Amino acid sequence: AQSVAQPEDQVNVAEGNPLTVKCTYSVSGNPYLFWYVQYPNRGLQFLLKYITGDNLVKGSYGFEAEFNKSQTSFHLKKPSALVSDSALYFCAVRDSLSGGYQKVTFGTGTKLQVIP
Amino acid sequence: DVKVTQSSRYLVKRTGEKVFLECVQDMDHENMFWYRQDPGLGLRLIYFSYDVKMKEKGDIPEGYSVSREKKERFSLILESASTNQTSMYLCASSPATGGGTEAFFGQGTRLTVV
Repeated sequence: AQSVAQPEDQVNVAEGNPLTVKCTYSVSGNPYLFWYVQYPNRGLQFLLKYITGDNLVKGSYGFEAEFNKSQTSFHLKKPSALVSDSALYFCAVRDSLSGGYQKVTFGTGTKLQVIP
Repeated sequence: DVKVTQSSRYLVKRTGEKVFLECVQDMDHENMFWYRQDPGLGLRLIYFSYDVKMKEKGDIPEGYSVSREKKERFSLILESASTNQTSMYLCASSPATGGGTEAFFGQGTRLTVV
């Protein structure tokens, strides 16, 4: 079975400071990992993904994420937070070994609040 | 620009009503999904479809059914709405090309059952 955990319900960071939103996962095979962002009353938007290759993945809006296989983590990072980054962030995982449809499991979400 | 469009942003329905949520995608994607989003629970998969007229149950299919008569359209049906189905419903689509492909989401339908 696959699972994903986002240990923080909310992260507060001052504008201009670096931000980290944490994600850990559990899969049987190799993971496909995703980050999505949701602005208020909107659907989810894709930010970035890890499939294979470089452990540091760069995505939209200056976000990046680091895949750490030994710690089974895929934390989302940004060097300098903007007020406009305030949103709900979801981590998701798909197990490369799961057959058929390859279901995606989403975390419970982390609310990022960037304080001016 | 790719698009997944849900027919309503907000819906208010009465207990016992039959409710239809419609979703259309213009990307010729094989896979389509219906999720339910509740605070603290994240996204939970209700049903998905990998082809026309094909459907598979997700994690929480009870009280719901789906229909996919055309590739671009995927409907979620609440046979007899109940107050515990008050939630945000999200439709998504993705191509069938491997497991590392991201999904594209609609804007969501916030359903209130009174």
